[in-house]
Amino acid sequence: GENVEQHPSTLSVQEGDSAVIKCTYSDSASNYFPWYKQELGKRPQLIIDIRSNVGEKKDQRIAVTLNKTAKHFSLHITETQPEDSAVYFCAASIGWNTGNQFYFGTGTSLTVIP
Amino acid sequence: SAVISQKPSRDICQRGTSLTIQCQVDSQVTMMFWYRQQPGQSLTLIATANQGSEATYESGFVIDKFPISRPNLTFSTLTVSNMSPEDSSIYLCSASPGRVGNYGYTFGSGTRLTVV
Repeated sequence: GENVEQHPSTLSVQEGDSAVIKCTYSDSASNYFPWYKQELGKRPQLIIDIRSNVGEKKDQRIAVTLNKTAKHFSLHITETQPEDSAVYFCAASIGWNTGNQFYFGTGTSLTVIP
Repeated sequence: SAVISQKPSRDICQRGTSLTIQCQVDSQVTMMFWYRQQPGQSLTLIATANQGSEATYESGFVIDKFPISRPNLTFSTLTVSNMSPEDSSIYLCSASPGRVGNYGYTFGSGTRLTVV
């Protein structure tokens, strides 16, 4: 099955700096890659996703890049703010509305220092 | 995006007892998924629940311990049976409505289970 690895496990940045979280996947058939943000004690929330037919997607301060050849994708957060502090999970799936399961990374705990 | 209501939000249970967790989705979904999340850890898939058929369990999880019901396209339950302290965890349900432009999973608010 799919194996998703995520790095780093913890990340601290100064407010205003950028944060980058990287994930690799093993199954070349995976074609959908969502990112989730989970604040303490709350449910994971989808913040951005990318499909394999594009290499980059941006939504305000958040962007995701995908390198299919290398089988890795990354989350980029620019101009970080304290409210960005949370645990971020990447995931990989075959299909995005087929009901196929998502394989989650191990999570990155991001702390933005004011 | 879809809204999933999950209850109970938390419970403290005696070992040897069972707890049933309920999830209600505000739209029809084909698949629902049940996850376990230990504090500070990632999400581990327990099983996939498809309406009208037996749930599919991941390695390490069995139906006798985690029976699942899926009576219709908007509802599912997960029972944690014969609980032990090792079952203490957060349990989350999720679903993907698959509507155009909105593909990712939505999660329930989670059930924080403590077994004493």
